Amino acid sequence: AQKVTQAQTEISVVEKEDVTLDCVYETRDTTYYLFWYKQPPSGELVFLIRRNSFDEQNEISGRYSWNFQKSTSSFNFTITASQVVDSAVYFCALSEALAGGGADGLTFGKGTHLIIQP
Amino acid sequence: DGGITQSPKYLFRKEGQNVTLSCEQNLNHDAMYWYRQDPGQGLRLIYYSQIVNDFQKGDIAEGYSVSREKKESFPLTVTSAQKNPTAFYLCASSILSFGTGSGLGNSGANVLTFGAGSRLTVL
Repeated sequence: AQKVTQAQTEISVVEKEDVTLDCVYETRDTTYYLFWYKQPPSGELVFLIRRNSFDEQNEISGRYSWNFQKSTSSFNFTITASQVVDSAVYFCALSEALAGGGADGLTFGKGTHLIIQP
Repeated sequence: DGGITQSPKYLFRKEGQNVTLSCEQNLNHDAMYWYRQDPGQGLRLIYYSQIVNDFQKGDIAEGYSVSREKKESFPLTVTSAQKNPTAFYLCASSILSFGTGSGLGNSGANVLTFGAGSRLTVL
């Protein structure tokens, strides 16, 4: 069975601070995919990034960066120089490659509520 | 613009009543999903469908029903059998991949696109 754990329920930082959101996953598959989504107060989830299990290169996109470490089954997300607009709930999710193909959705963590104070 | 439309945004229901949440997409996606979100609980999969006239139960299907008569539409009915229906409901869709291996064209790699959600409150 697959599982995603986001141990940080809520994080509050002052604007311009760096912040890291933790994500630990469990899966028996060797081929899997990891995702991060952002949920602003409007409610709609916004896709941020997808990584496959064979690509452990860290990725940077502007102020966002992701650290994927298979050795610790973690896929952490760092926001550099945080801004008030970054305030949202952030979800980490996992998907396994199905032997017969197709798609059966993502397994989500419980989310981390990030509050950026001005 | 392509996207997913969920309606209504807010819905109130009396105990014992069935209610249907609408989800329509114009992304030409084959797969559609319903998730339930409760405070502090993340998203849990209710039902999903990969093709028209076919759907599968997710982790918490009891008390819910769905239909997939058209590719664009995947309505969710919250029945009176659902004991705790007050929640935020999110519909999503994705392309469908049948490849194997680690590439992004393979099953499991599909990015889900979400609607804005429907908030159901039972009075």
